[in-house]
Amino acid sequence: EVQLVESGGGLVKPGRSLRLSCTASGFTFGHFAMEWFRQAPGKGLEWLGFIRTAAYGRTAEYAAPVKGRFTISRDDSKSIAYLHMSSLRSEDTAVYYCTRGVGGSYFSDAFDLWGQGTLVTVSS
Amino acid sequence: DIQMTQSPSSLSASVGDRVTITCRASQNIRIHLNWYQQNPGKAPKLLIHAASNLQSGVPSRFSGNGSGTDFTLTISTLQPEDFATYYCQQSYNTPWTFGQGARVEIK
Repeated sequence: EVQLVESGGGLVKPGRSLRLSCTASGFTFGHFAMEWFRQAPGKGLEWLGFIRTAAYGRTAEYAAPVKGRFTISRDDSKSIAYLHMSSLRSEDTAVYYCTRGVGGSYFSDAFDLWGQGTLVTVSS
Repeated sequence: DIQMTQSPSSLSASVGDRVTITCRASQNIRIHLNWYQQNPGKAPKLLIHAASNLQSGVPSRFSGNGSGTDFTLTISTLQPEDFATYYCQQSYNTPWTFGQGARVEIK
C-alpha cells in the first residue's frame, strides 16, 4: 500500500526539541521531494519546508517562521523523512503532516500523498 | 508571500446542489493552483492540481477552473461525503500558501 506514516509526536515542554519521522511505503521514496506542513487546532494549513531528492543534493528550504529552528532530513535507504524541531514554543502546537511532492523537479507542483498526521503539544 | 483568499468561508448546501468556491491570489500565479478536501480529524486530500486537472480517483463532479489570480472549485452535484472543508494552495512560489478554507455544511 502506498502510504506515509508519521510518528514521534507528543507533549513537549517549551524550549525543548523533538524529532518527527515520516515512514514511506509502497513507492520509490528516493524519487520524491518530501514536504512538511502543520495545522494548529482549529486553524488552516501552514507549509514548513521541504527536502529535495538526492538528484538535487537533498537540499532543503524552510518557511520563515521555522527557519533556523526546524531541520528536514531524509534517509533514502530507510524511506524515512525527518523533521527536527528545536526551541519549541507554545505556538508550535499543531498536527504535523508529511507529504509527497509531485509534478515538478526542483520544486513540487502539488502534494498527492499525505500522512495521517501526528500531534505535537508544546506546554509546560 | 502570495496571499490566497477564499470565498465564502463557509456555506450551507443540500445534497444535489451545485456549489462553487472561489480562490483569489494576491499576484499572478498562472495555473499553479491546487485544491484539497479535508474532513474533520483527517489529512487533506488532493482534488485538483494545476487549476483544472482532476487528481486520479477523484469523482468527476469536482472541477476546477481559472488562471492568473482568480480560480474556482465547483462540485456539480453535492454528495453526502462532500461535506468538508476545502483549501486552495498556490505552488507558484515558496512559501507555499493556502487559502483560509471554505467549510461546506449540510443545510
